[in-house]
Amino acid sequence: DIQMTQSPSSLSASVGDRVTITCRASQSISTYLNWYQHKPGEAPKVLVYSASSLQSGVPTRFSASGSGTDFSLTISGLQPEDFAIYYCQQSYKTPQTFGQGTKVEIK
Amino acid sequence: EVQLVQSGAEVKKPGEFLRISCKGSGYRFTSHWISWVRQMPGKGLEWMGNIDPSDSYTNYSPSFQGHVSFSVDKSLSTAYLQWGGLKASDTAIYYCARGITSMYSSGPWFDPWGQGTLVTVSS
Repeated sequence: DIQMTQSPSSLSASVGDRVTITCRASQSISTYLNWYQHKPGEAPKVLVYSASSLQSGVPTRFSASGSGTDFSLTISGLQPEDFAIYYCQQSYKTPQTFGQGTKVEIK
Repeated sequence: EVQLVQSGAEVKKPGEFLRISCKGSGYRFTSHWISWVRQMPGKGLEWMGNIDPSDSYTNYSPSFQGHVSFSVDKSLSTAYLQWGGLKASDTAIYYCARGITSMYSSGPWFDPWGQGTLVTVSS
């Protein structure tokens, strides 16, 4: 299986901060990388697909990049509604696998 | 509006049978694979596998192969996740999600997701 490793596992930030989450794959996955936001009690929501394509309706403060094995998700100007857990997911090879998640908390 | 609506929470005993459902609406149900994803208490997301509603072809993650099964009823636009004999370790929230692919992008990705079904297995 392809292992997905996110860092950090958690972070504390203030409203307005810029935060970056990284995701590393155990082998090259081209751009078969998606990012999801998950809030407690809600369904996960796709933010970014194909490594850098912003899902329709997602605020432009979210951006993402990467290819091969190294990827990142950046939130420029953290908003109160952005405090959540973020997951990367590879869809390059079955079984599809998720990173362990990064919890973004309020400082 | 494209939606996946899942069946309600379940409380079961070890060894019991369970089938939960995921009903799609607002789109052509047979055009998109449905994936199932597990979230154990306090843990992250795990892909269990997926099913093609057009022909019921399935892929199972090795971690779940043999313990769960997927099925669909095209006439009801509904996908199912089934256990033949539950274990306490099956206690989790289970999500269904629609797989999206595009000839212009590297996919698939999941959108939307169902609201989740909490399954509690306890004696």
